[in-house]
Amino acid sequence: GENVEQHPSTLSVQEGDSAVIKCTYSDSASNYFPWYKQELGKRPQLIIDIRSNVGEKKDQRIAVTLNKTAKHFSLHITETQPEDSAVYFCAASMSGGSNYKLTFGKGTLLTVNP
Amino acid sequence: IAGITQAPTSQILAAGRRMTLRCTQDMRHNAMYWYRQDLGLGLRLIHYSNTAGTTGKGEVPDGYSVSRANTDDFPLTLASAVPSQTSVYFCASSPGQGSYGYTFGSGTRLTVV
Repeated sequence: GENVEQHPSTLSVQEGDSAVIKCTYSDSASNYFPWYKQELGKRPQLIIDIRSNVGEKKDQRIAVTLNKTAKHFSLHITETQPEDSAVYFCAASMSGGSNYKLTFGKGTLLTVNP
Repeated sequence: IAGITQAPTSQILAAGRRMTLRCTQDMRHNAMYWYRQDLGLGLRLIHYSNTAGTTGKGEVPDGYSVSRANTDDFPLTLASAVPSQTSVYFCASSPGQGSYGYTFGSGTRLTVV
């Protein structure tokens, strides 16, 4: 099955700096890569996703890049703010036919210091 | 309000007892999932259902069972709880058929003593 590795497990940045979280996946058939943000005591929420036919996607201060050859994808947050502090999860799915299961990385605790 | 509802919010359960965690969605999503979240281990898939009437095993299915009698409901049962099942349980759903984003429930915090 799919295996997703996520690094780093913790990341601390100063407000206004950029943050980068990296993930690798094992199954070359995976074609859907979402990122979730989970604030303390809350449910994970989808913040951005990318499909395998796209190399980069941006949404305001958040961007995701995908390198299919190397089987890795990254989350980039620019101009970080204290409210960006949360646990971030990457995930991968070989979505096709009737298979919609996501395999998650172990998460990155991002702390943005004022 | 459209969404996905889990119950109970939290529960303390004696080891050996049977427990059913409830999950209901009103978005008419085809696929539903149960994950457990443990510190340092991320979100691990317990069981899933791609459509009503079908279920499948995930990464950590032992000690758990599910059913999917209709589109809206996907209960998770612990037949005989053990302390290692202490965790936060999240139910999720997705539309399927080309749209794969998950919507998560608010979670159930279960403590087995």
